[in-house]
Amino acid sequence: DAGVTQSPTHLIKTRGQQVTLRCSPKSGHDTVSWYQQALGQGPQFIFQYYEEEERQRGNFPDRFSGHQFPNYSSELNVNALLLGDSALYLCASSLGTPGVISNEQFFGPGTRLTVL
Amino acid sequence: AQSVTQPDIHITVSEGASLELRCNYSYGATPYLFWYVQSPGQGLQLLLKYFSGDTLVQGIKGFEAEFKRSQSSFNLRKPSVHWSDAAEYFCAVGPSYNNNDMRFGAGTRLTVKP
Repeated sequence: DAGVTQSPTHLIKTRGQQVTLRCSPKSGHDTVSWYQQALGQGPQFIFQYYEEEERQRGNFPDRFSGHQFPNYSSELNVNALLLGDSALYLCASSLGTPGVISNEQFFGPGTRLTVL
Repeated sequence: AQSVTQPDIHITVSEGASLELRCNYSYGATPYLFWYVQSPGQGLQLLLKYFSGDTLVQGIKGFEAEFKRSQSSFNLRKPSVHWSDAAEYFCAVGPSYNNNDMRFGAGTRLTVKP
């Protein structure tokens, strides 16, 4: 079992550009969540996808959008990048009813995004 | 609003020594509490969790944590630290009904001296 995988590992962009990050969930998992982890901080929830729909969203602007594919993999898109978007972006997958806290989330290694 | 405080940004311990990482939370109801570990280049790995019942929780890698409601704390402990335990540790608190409303602390970085 490969666990949760994310690509790319690192990414450098300039302000105003757009970026797409990718996530493949752990085998058998159907729910994918995205988190932003700024330097020196804990992860912050961005949004969660289940059955190809955004189910819940954290306090992030519309510049952050996502998609889930029929194979449960997911993308995170960020438009009009700001310097403050520089962070580690984590994907987490789980199985079962979205949002139920007893459904353990398995995290990927993250994508390090640097915005210059 | 729920929040988590990890008072220690960085802790250094000698290999073989005991370890205690502090976590204080603010939450209006019965909290669901977690400890995660993050090694460089790795995702967060769940060490242990507390939902209810026995307030002393055993986790993986020899870690344990104790829930103390009166002190709003959920401190992580290990009796003997190994060099491989060097990592960043995060405490998190969440409501029972929504794991996406989990709040993470800012983390404690553990350095292990040989």
